[in-house]
Amino acid sequence: GAVVSQHPSWVICKSGTSVKIECRSLDFQATTMFWYRQFPKQSLMLMATSNEGSKATYEQGVEKDKFLINHASLTLSTLTVTSAHPEDSSFYICSATGLNLNNEQFFGPGTRLTVL
Amino acid sequence: KNQVEQSPQSLIILEGKNCTLQCNYTVSPFSNLRWYKQDTGRGPVSLTIMTFSENTKSNGRYTATLDADTKQSSLHITASQLSDSASYICVVNDSGTYKYIFGTGTRLKVLA
Repeated sequence: GAVVSQHPSWVICKSGTSVKIECRSLDFQATTMFWYRQFPKQSLMLMATSNEGSKATYEQGVEKDKFLINHASLTLSTLTVTSAHPEDSSFYICSATGLNLNNEQFFGPGTRLTVL
Repeated sequence: KNQVEQSPQSLIILEGKNCTLQCNYTVSPFSNLRWYKQDTGRGPVSLTIMTFSENTKSNGRYTATLDADTKQSSLHITASQLSDSASYICVVNDSGTYKYIFGTGTRLKVLA
């Protein structure tokens, strides 16, 4: 099956710093990648959709200048949380899909971000 | 508004027992409905996927049903095991936008 990895699996940072999270498709070319955020005991909320080589499309209420998404290659997308604050602490999950995958999204294992 | 609602919110059962989780949705049109298992601190893992024309789909001890007329789905788990403890999420694929609409999940705890 299609495998998606994320790095790091967890990160702790100080308030005001920036954090980069990587999402990689290991055995397929990811034409589209999705970034989700999940707060405790809540479901996944879509933050943005990115197509390789294009600007990401952000969901309503998500600040594009705060959550920078880069999808520069068919196997890698990055999410940078700029000037992180404690309220940004959450579980960030990426997913990816590609050609001949019938729009099925394959999810990464997630990244736990804690901002002190 | 496209919504996916699940019940119960949480459930505790004894090992070896069966249980059924419910999912009601208003997403229309939709291309498929999926059930995922999410362990704590992990990403979701697909259990079943059904198109609107399918009524049932099994994956080992997991059996999903779909009634497209009433817009309801269920996930039945037989002979539960301790490792079944997780959140189970119903996801409907909006065929208009291709976005996944996630349910709020059911947190299942299986006790020895």
